[in-house]
Amino acid sequence: AQSVTQLGSHVSVSEGALVLLRCNYSSSVPPYLFWYVQYPNQGLQLLLKYTSAATLVKGINGFEAEFKKSETSFHLTKPSAHMSDAAEYFCAVSGKGGSYIPTFGRGTSLIVHP
Amino acid sequence: EAGVVQSPRYKIIEKKQPVAFWCNPISGHNTLYWYLQNLGQGPELLIRYENEEAVDDSQLPKDRFSAERLKGVDSTLKIQPAELGDSAVYLCASSLGRANEQFFGPGTRLTVL
Repeated sequence: AQSVTQLGSHVSVSEGALVLLRCNYSSSVPPYLFWYVQYPNQGLQLLLKYTSAATLVKGINGFEAEFKKSETSFHLTKPSAHMSDAAEYFCAVSGKGGSYIPTFGRGTSLIVHP
Repeated sequence: EAGVVQSPRYKIIEKKQPVAFWCNPISGHNTLYWYLQNLGQGPELLIRYENEEAVDDSQLPKDRFSAERLKGVDSTLKIQPAELGDSAVYLCASSLGRANEQFFGPGTRLTVL
């Protein structure tokens, strides 16, 4: 069984401030972990994924995430928020050796203030 | 490279009516997924295809939902009859193999009145 918990349905930051979106997972097998972004009326777009290589994963648009096995976490960060980062962000987990079907979290809406 | 194409983008129907959604995956992608996304929620898998074979369809309500992927390319998801609770966004995604990155279409927003 696998599950994802995203802490905070909404996160509000000022433009230029640090972005931190939290994700905790549970998985009975070594996981693949993903962050997706969804802009209004669009499908999901992959930001980055962890597949057991480096624990610090760099993605598109300046985002990165760190896999911490001891904390079962995969938090998403960006040093400086931009207005264009305002969107819905989803964390997802899938299991290696299993069906690879990702289980998504409920999402976190990132709000960026000027 | 063209992305995943879905149509229609929006559909409004009355309850008990049938409805169908169409998806054209990225060329060469053998794995195709249909997801249901309720407002304020993450996507939930309905069915996954490996080529033309349906696998992982345990979440598909088979009494009213059906899907097909003829020739292992395009896919259609059908609901008959639709219920009020079916109002949601239906997302299609494709990938080159089940362990690889999924590419999502823009979705079809269904409203059942």
